Amino acid sequence: KNQVEQSPQSLIILEGKNCTLQCNYTVSPFSNLRWYKQDTGRGPVSLTIMTFSENTKSNGRYTATLDADTKQSSLHITASQLSDSASYICVVKESNYQLIWGAGTKLIIKP
Amino acid sequence: GAGVSQSPSNKVTEKGKDVELRCDPISGHTALYWYRQSLGQGLEFLIYFQGNSAPDKSGLPSDRFSAERTGGSVSTLTIQRTQQEDSAVYLCASSLVGDRGRGEQYFGPGTRLTVT
Repeated sequence: KNQVEQSPQSLIILEGKNCTLQCNYTVSPFSNLRWYKQDTGRGPVSLTIMTFSENTKSNGRYTATLDADTKQSSLHITASQLSDSASYICVVKESNYQLIWGAGTKLIIKP
Repeated sequence: GAGVSQSPSNKVTEKGKDVELRCDPISGHTALYWYRQSLGQGLEFLIYFQGNSAPDKSGLPSDRFSAERTGGSVSTLTIQRTQQEDSAVYLCASSLVGDRGRGEQYFGPGTRLTVT
């Protein structure tokens, strides 16, 4: 069964600290993996999209990694800011177009 | 230009009533998606429109759910005889090309539906 599992479920860190969010998937055949940021009460906004051949991709203070062999991805946030408080969702696309959504990690940044 | 808009932002309805949720995609986007997000859950795919092709309705949970897309633009998701388990945030997204490519999906703010 195609699944996307994220950990931790929630995370609280102090402003300025770094953090890493994890995503494990069993989706096959794999097409690409996306990380979205969803602020409370808003729709998800894309952060990165990675294909099979891409190991690392950065978007400002966000760096995503992908290990297609172990079917794992991570999202690293550097020097966190209060505005980073949101849910971060990992989404894996099957080759036949279906998107499999993770439940997300709720990140809270405290001053 | 304007992003994806949805209306209403919040809807409270009584069990058994019908509701209509509206989505205005980004102008020129040929693909439109409806998702449902229950509290603490991942997004659940409902239906996908791509141009003039027949929509992919494989995600609709029951025949109480239906959607239309008129003129290749505005879409309406209709839920008939609402049940309490229909309570969720309903998100609409559009993309320039269908997601069979790498079409980036742009999401609206969602409609929060509460069935009492």
